Amino acid sequence: ELQLVESGGGLVQPGGSLRLSCVGSGFTFSSYGMNWVRQAPGKAPEWISHISNSGSTIYYADSVRGRFTISRDNAKNSLYLQMNSLTSEDTAIYYCARVEFVYWGQGTLVTVSS
Amino acid sequence: EIVLTQSPATLSLSPGERATLSCRASQRVDGYLAWFQQKPGQAPRLLIYDASNRASGVPARFSGFESGTDFTLTISSLEPEDFAVYYCQQRSSWPLTFGGGTTVEI
Repeated sequence: ELQLVESGGGLVQPGGSLRLSCVGSGFTFSSYGMNWVRQAPGKAPEWISHISNSGSTIYYADSVRGRFTISRDNAKNSLYLQMNSLTSEDTAIYYCARVEFVYWGQGTLVTVSS
Repeated sequence: EIVLTQSPATLSLSPGERATLSCRASQRVDGYLAWFQQKPGQAPRLLIYDASNRASGVPARFSGFESGTDFTLTISSLEPEDFAVYYCQQRSSWPLTFGGGTTVEI
């Protein structure tokens, strides 16, 4: 069964950092690009970053560029999102999703608050 | 950035009725538009990709149509499980963007 499982969310103070992880199973992880999508409470989803299957091509939304870094380790079937300089605007459920957006994780909640 | 405008914000219908949801793109997306369904506490579920192609396992009552920069998702006869929020998304250019959503409620 294909699965994406996120972890690493939690409560962090403004200005703090957090690293999210997403582990894929049930498919050849290294063959697929991956995305991070977040959704603030009561809001529409917001795409924030994409990384190609090899990691050679990366895109970011303007709202996170310069603060967030996407990466992957294909040997560990893992996708990461390093989040720095967090603000209350970053409070959301963070999902990883495979490139075609058919498969999504269950999401991990990030709350930025003092 | 391509802006997607969904209308109406809320659609109040009954089971068995037809639902028509709209999504207008601020510029051409060359058919690279998807529709998602989301229920409370769940991740979005892909329904339609490339404007009119149903994803695997999606019932035939869901259909998508493209006319230039205007896109439509039609649910031919609403089932109780179809009451949810629907989002469109463009994959024509980076950044990928989502519309603001349409809530289909009873």
